[in-house]
Amino acid sequence: QQQVKQSPQSLIVQKGGISIINCAYENTAFDYFPWYQQFPGKGPALLIAIRPDVSEKKEGRFTISFNKSAKQFSLHIMDSQPGDSATYFCAASRTGANNLFFGTGTRLTVIP
Amino acid sequence: DGGITQSPKYLFRKEGQNVTLSCEQNLNHDAMYWYRQDPGQGLRLIYYSQIVNDFQKGDIAEGYSVSREKKESFPLTVTSAQKNPTAFYLCASSSLGGSNQPQHFGDGTRLSIL
Repeated sequence: QQQVKQSPQSLIVQKGGISIINCAYENTAFDYFPWYQQFPGKGPALLIAIRPDVSEKKEGRFTISFNKSAKQFSLHIMDSQPGDSATYFCAASRTGANNLFFGTGTRLTVIP
Repeated sequence: DGGITQSPKYLFRKEGQNVTLSCEQNLNHDAMYWYRQDPGQGLRLIYYSQIVNDFQKGDIAEGYSVSREKKESFPLTVTSAQKNPTAFYLCASSSLGGSNQPQHFGDGTRLSIL
């Protein structure tokens, strides 16, 4: 079964707007939650990651919000730009494991 | 420039044929991984290796095989037993410490059936 559920499947945002992608997980042992950005024909690249000891992490225009009690985390892209158009994957893992469980991806399109 | 190189970029397989995908890294990472990516699905782990001459099955290892004879190299063979091989294959590497270490990905190999 899908260990990490991601929504929406696709998202269209106007330039300058806020893009929000949501993920949910069941396994309470997960303690590392990265987000990856993938452009067509390329491999994913790590964008930002969070651990459950904090509720929010910000790097530039990208912010992860984490809700441990709800077992949910989300990626917010502020002031979205056409160059942000890509597929975004959330993922989760636990300490000591070698498996990174990925969500199904969100294709973001930012229109000028 | 350090990174992961996957080759070829595109590969075609005939029925009953084994094909091998190459993955080389110069990041001095101990751990290497192979993922399969299908449309509308996330990345699924095929095999991983933490040290030379040792590797472990991931979630979807059936029909695939790997070797790890050198630290820099982790080739994946898609065997004829894999009945649905058409997919985008991604190789990744990381420092040791489990999947909490950031994984660096190559640019993938797209495999299709002839």
